Amino acid sequence: AQSVTQPDIHITVSEGASLELRCNYSYGATPYLFWYVQSPGQGLQLLLKYFSGDTLVQGIKGFEAEFKRSQSSFNLRKPSVHWSDAAEYFCAVGASTGGFKTIFGAGTRLFVKA
Amino acid sequence: GAGVSQSPRYKVAKRGQDVALRCDPISGHVSLFWYQQALGQGPEFLTYFQNEAQLDKSGLPSDRFFAERPEGSVSTLKIQRTQQEDSAVYLCASSFRGQGVWEKLFFGSGTQLSVL
Repeated sequence: AQSVTQPDIHITVSEGASLELRCNYSYGATPYLFWYVQSPGQGLQLLLKYFSGDTLVQGIKGFEAEFKRSQSSFNLRKPSVHWSDAAEYFCAVGASTGGFKTIFGAGTRLFVKA
Repeated sequence: GAGVSQSPRYKVAKRGQDVALRCDPISGHVSLFWYQQALGQGPEFLTYFQNEAQLDKSGLPSDRFFAERPEGSVSTLKIQRTQQEDSAVYLCASSFRGQGVWEKLFFGSGTQLSVL
C-alpha cells in the first residue's frame, strides 16, 4: 500500500540556517510527490511537486526538493530559513491505484529560533 | 469565489448529534476531496468527487459518515450520531481537473469539530 513517512515530528533551526526535512515514500509505480505547508489556522498550501523529469524541483518561498528513486526519498530543503517559515510541513504522494487520492505523511513541525 | 470556503469554521456537538459540514470549492473545479485531520496528524483521505459523482469513498470510517455533491459544486459532509473520536479538523480540497490528472490541491481552512 502507498504510504509516506516523515521521520521527524519536529525540527528547530536558527533563523538564517539551512533546513532539510526528510520524507520517504512507499509506492510501486513512479510516484507523484508533493510538499505542502500548513500555517496555524490555515489550509494547506502547495510548495512544490514532482511528476517526472529533473529530480531537483524548485518551489515557492525559496524551497526545493530532490527526488531520489534509489532511496525512495523526496527531501525538502531551504538554504536560509526565515522566521516566517515556522509551520507544519507535509510530504504527500499521489496514489492512483485503489482510487485517486493524495496520501499525506504525519507532518514535521518546524520551529525557527532567533 | 477566490478560494475554497468551508463552514462553519468551528462546530461543537454533543455526542449523538448529527452535524453537517459545508464546502464551497473554487468555481469550475471538477475534483473535490474531503480529508480528516486529527490533532498532530496529517490529513487522512475520506472521499473524492468528480463533478457530482462520488468515485471513491474508501476512506469514510463508518456508515455514519456521508458526503454528497448533488450539483457538482457545493459539497456537504454529514456525520450522524457523532462520537468523541470524530473530533478532528475536516478539510475540503478542490482541483481544476478530474481523475487521472495530477495537479495541486487547493485547500480550505477546515472545520474544527469538537464532540463533547
